Amino acid sequence: GENVEQHPSTLSVQEGDSAVIKCTYSDSASNYFPWYKQELGKGPQLIIDIRSNVGEKKDQRIAVTLNKTAKHFSLHITETQPEDSAVYFCAASKGGSYIPTFGRGTSLIVHP
Amino acid sequence: DGGITQSPKYLFRKEGQNVTLSCEQNLNHDAMYWYRQDPGQGLRLIYYSQIVNDFQKGDIAEGYSVSREKKESFPLTVTSAQKNPTAFYLCASRFADSPLHFGNGTRLTVT
Repeated sequence: GENVEQHPSTLSVQEGDSAVIKCTYSDSASNYFPWYKQELGKGPQLIIDIRSNVGEKKDQRIAVTLNKTAKHFSLHITETQPEDSAVYFCAASKGGSYIPTFGRGTSLIVHP
Repeated sequence: DGGITQSPKYLFRKEGQNVTLSCEQNLNHDAMYWYRQDPGQGLRLIYYSQIVNDFQKGDIAEGYSVSREKKESFPLTVTSAQKNPTAFYLCASRFADSPLHFGNGTRLTVT
């Protein structure tokens, strides 16, 4: 089955810096890659996703890049703010009714 | 507002007791899922249901049971056979191939 590795497990940055979280996947048939943000005591919320026919997608301060050849994808957050502090999960799926496989999460801490 | 409601938010039980976690959705989603979250472990799939009256085991189903008698409801029972039941449990749902939509979880503590 699919295996998703996520790094780093913890990321500490100063407010205003950029943050990058990286994931690799094993199944070349995976074609859908969502990213979720989980605030303390809450469930994960989808923040951005990308499909395999696209190399990059942006939404204001967040962006995701995908390298299908290398089977890795990354989340980029620019101009980080304290409210960006949360746990971020990447996932990979073959789309359709396939269930996504999640990475182990990255705890992002943004220091004011 | 449409969404997924998990109740209660915190649950405490004594070892050896079965406990049932509630998950209700009013999103008219066909598929529902249960995940377990432990620190540093990510989200591990316990059970899922693609349609009413049908469900399948996920990666860590041992010690858990579910039912899906109604489209809106997918309760999870943590049985006394589950060796390490203390965890944060997340319910999710989705329509067709849309992204998963999560509830806000139930934190279960068994002592």
